[in-house]
Amino acid sequence: ELKVEQNPLFLSMQEGKNYTIYCNYSTTSDRLYWYRQDPGKSLESLFVLLSNGAVKQEGRLMASLDTKARLSTLHITAAVHDLSATYFCAVDLSGTASKLTFGTGTRLQVTL
Amino acid sequence: DTAVSQTPKYLVTQMGNDKSIKCEQNLGHDTMYWYKQDSKKFLKIMFSYNNKELIINETVPNRFSPKSPDKAHLNLHINSLELGDSAVYFCASSPGSGHDNQPQHFGDGTRLSIL
Repeated sequence: ELKVEQNPLFLSMQEGKNYTIYCNYSTTSDRLYWYRQDPGKSLESLFVLLSNGAVKQEGRLMASLDTKARLSTLHITAAVHDLSATYFCAVDLSGTASKLTFGTGTRLQVTL
Repeated sequence: DTAVSQTPKYLVTQMGNDKSIKCEQNLGHDTMYWYKQDSKKFLKIMFSYNNKELIINETVPNRFSPKSPDKAHLNLHINSLELGDSAVYFCASSPGSGHDNQPQHFGDGTRLSIL
C-alpha cells in the first residue's frame, strides 16, 4: 500500500525566512502534485511534477521531484504572511492522474 | 463561473438519517471523484467515475452510494448516517486518461456534521 508522508506536519516561520517541506512516498511513481488549502476552503493546485528531476517555480514557491529517492520538496523563499495555509503533496500510481494518494499535509504559519 | 460546484455547503443532521450531496462540473472533464477529509485534515479518495462508469471504489461502507447520471454530475448518497461520517466531503474532476499533466480540480467541499 502506498504511503505518503510529509514533514514537518506543522511549521511556524517568520516572514522573510526560507524553509523546505518534504514529501516522501513508499512506492515508485514519477507523478506528483502539490496543492494548497486555506482554512475552510477548497484545494488549489500549485504544481504538477511528471518526471525525475522536474522543477517548477511560481513566485516564492519551488517544487522538485526526485523519483529515485521517492522524494519531493516544496521550497519557500522569503516567506510572506499570505503563504500561510496547509500544503499537500499527492502521488499518482495510476499514470492517468486518476488515483491520488495524499500526504498528511503541512500546516504553514508565517508570522510577521 | 464555478468549475466544480457542490451542494449543500453545510449539512447538519441526526444520526440514522439519509442524505445526499450533489456535484456538478462545467469543465468538460471525463473523470469525477469523491474525497473525504477528516478532522485531522487527512484526505482520502472514496470513489471515482470515468464517463459515468465506476473506476475506483475504495474501502467505503455500503451505506455510501455514488451515482453519476452523466459525466458532468456525480452525486453521493449516504444512508443511516453515523457519527464517524462527520467530515468534509470534496468533489473533484480531471480530464481523464492521457491528461496526467492536468491536476484534479476540487469543489468547495460539503461540511457534514452528525448530531
